[in-house]
Amino acid sequence: NAGVTQTPKFRILKIGQSMTLQCTQDMNHNYMYWYRQDPGMGLKLIYYSVGAGITDKGEVPNGYNVSRSTTEDFPLRLELAAPSQTSVYFCASSYSQGGGNQPQHFGDGTRLSIL
Amino acid sequence: KNQVEQSPQSLIILEGKNCTLQCNYTVSPFSNLRWYKQDTGRGPVSLTIMTFSENTKSNGRYTATLDADTKQSSLHITASQLSDSASYICVVTPSGGSYIPTFGRGTSLIVHP
Repeated sequence: NAGVTQTPKFRILKIGQSMTLQCTQDMNHNYMYWYRQDPGMGLKLIYYSVGAGITDKGEVPNGYNVSRSTTEDFPLRLELAAPSQTSVYFCASSYSQGGGNQPQHFGDGTRLSIL
Repeated sequence: KNQVEQSPQSLIILEGKNCTLQCNYTVSPFSNLRWYKQDTGRGPVSLTIMTFSENTKSNGRYTATLDADTKQSSLHITASQLSDSASYICVVTPSGGSYIPTFGRGTSLIVHP
């Protein structure tokens, strides 16, 4: 199984540009998450989804949008890129919600620089 | 504000030696505490998950302990290997609500031959 796949692996954007970070999982997990990891800091939850058609804000949602039209895919959209959004973005999925005893499976991240 | 503090920030040990990483948290009440291993340039990989009622969990050479009274957890690595070189992240998830986890900043472990 591929697990959680993120594309692209690297991207450089100019300020004001927009882009979509792709995430797909093949484990049939209902729960999916987007995190950002800034240098020397812990991961922060941006958005999460408990199933197709259902999304909710995490800790740091400003400047981002998500959609969940299928169980497999959970894209993250940056509309007007800002330097503060330079980070490594991780997508994750799990069988149960964060309170359960099932692990979250992470992709290998998208490294995004905004100049 | 929920916080997860990890110590030490970094650690260098020789191959074959044991080590213990610490995690202190303020999240309360909490649902579970997880330890992840993150290799450079990769996503985190789950090592152990403990619910609030558990006080120890093992995964091969990795053993996590939890003291819910003092809000402390530790991750003990036995007979370290070069492949253990990574960042180890403690994550605490609250209960009774949004289940938004709080991640620690991680402990960077380097194992030298």
